[in-house]
This record gives sequence, C-alpha cells and structure tokens, in this order.
Amino acid sequence: NAGVTQTPKFQVLKTGQSMTLQCAQDMNHNSMYWYRQDPGMGLRLIYYSASEGTTDKGEVPNGYNVSRLNKREFSLRLESAAPSQTSVYFCASSGGGSNEKLFFGSGTQLSVL
Amino acid sequence: DQQVKQNSPSLSVQEGRISILNCDYTNSMFDYFLWYKKYPAEGPTFLISISSIKDKNEDGRFTVFLNKSAKHLSLHIVPSQPGDSAVYFCAASGTGSARQLTFGSGTQLTVLP
Repeated sequence: NAGVTQTPKFQVLKTGQSMTLQCAQDMNHNSMYWYRQDPGMGLRLIYYSASEGTTDKGEVPNGYNVSRLNKREFSLRLESAAPSQTSVYFCASSGGGSNEKLFFGSGTQLSVL
Repeated sequence: DQQVKQNSPSLSVQEGRISILNCDYTNSMFDYFLWYKKYPAEGPTFLISISSIKDKNEDGRFTVFLNKSAKHLSLHIVPSQPGDSAVYFCAASGTGSARQLTFGSGTQLTVLP
C-alpha cells in the first residue's frame, strides 16, 4: 500500500522562483491537507480540502495556493518563494468524518535561498 | 498563541523504564486528542487517541490520560524501548472553528539502551 505519496522529497529554490508540491493518496479518502513543520512550531495547517472540489485556508495560508485536482490528488503551489517558506511540508489525508485520524506522506524538505 | 503546548522539547529515559510525555491545551472546544509519532525523514504516524468522554485509553505499552479540568493530557510508555526513540506530537480537535487538528511543537524522546 502506497498510502500518501509526495513529490519531490527535496527541493532547493531561489527567492522568487515558483514550484508545485504534488500529493496523491490511494485510500479513497475524502479529505486532504497540507502542513508545514518548523523547529519549535510543530505542524501548522496551510490549506485543506474537506472533499473533492472544495478548499479552505488553514492557519498559515499566505504565500500558498492549492488545487484539489481530483479525489486522489492535492497540490500545493508556491508562486514566489521566500526564505520564510523554508520548511518541511507534509501532505495528509483522512476519511473526512469527525475524529478521523490523518495519514501522512513522508514529507518534502524545501529550502529557499 | 499556541493552543496545544508541549513544554518539554526533549526527554531521555533508560530502556525498560516509563516514559511520560505531557501536553497542555487551552481551547475548551477541543474534545478529541491524539498522539502521533515521527521518525526522521518520515511522516508522522498515528499512535493513540482519546475522546473527552474518557479519562484513560490504553493500547499495549501506550496509555493516554486526559485531565479535562486541568486541560492536560499525558502519554505513558511502559516499558520504554530504544525503538520508541522519536518525536511525539500531541494534537487536538473539536467542533466548529476547532474542527481541524491543532498540533503541539513535539517532544523528542530518546530511550537509552
């Protein structure tokens, strides 16, 4: 079982460059999420998609856009990368009901120089 | 303002002894609490959860205790094993504006052989 797959695993960008982080899940989950992990800050929610066709802002959405391409795929785009976006990014999915646990991908280490 | 706080960034325990990881929360709307475990270069994985209608939940070597009046929960690992060395994240969710998971900053547990 692949579960939640994220690509790429590592990326280095220069300030101002753009990129898209890809995420796909094969568990037929309704809800998908993007988190960032920073030292001393834990995991903070960037955007989420409760179901196909919907997206909502999380705690730290500024500088990001998302697309729920279909039920399986949820991408995160940085239009103009900034050093403050250096972080580890995790995609997650869940069934979408209340108290559903999240399943996480293995993460993308992004450095913006 | 962090709504879920893990005040100990790190904890070291001898193999075979008890590990106790603590978590405090401030949002009274939280009614479901989870612990996730994270190894380096991997995504977090679900460990154990507890609903606010309970004060204890046990799964093998792992027990979570919830003290609602103190807004405090703890994870006990008995006996601790070297393979338990990881970062442990506390997370909470509830209803309305609190329905998305909010994570603490994590505690690095090191179990010494």
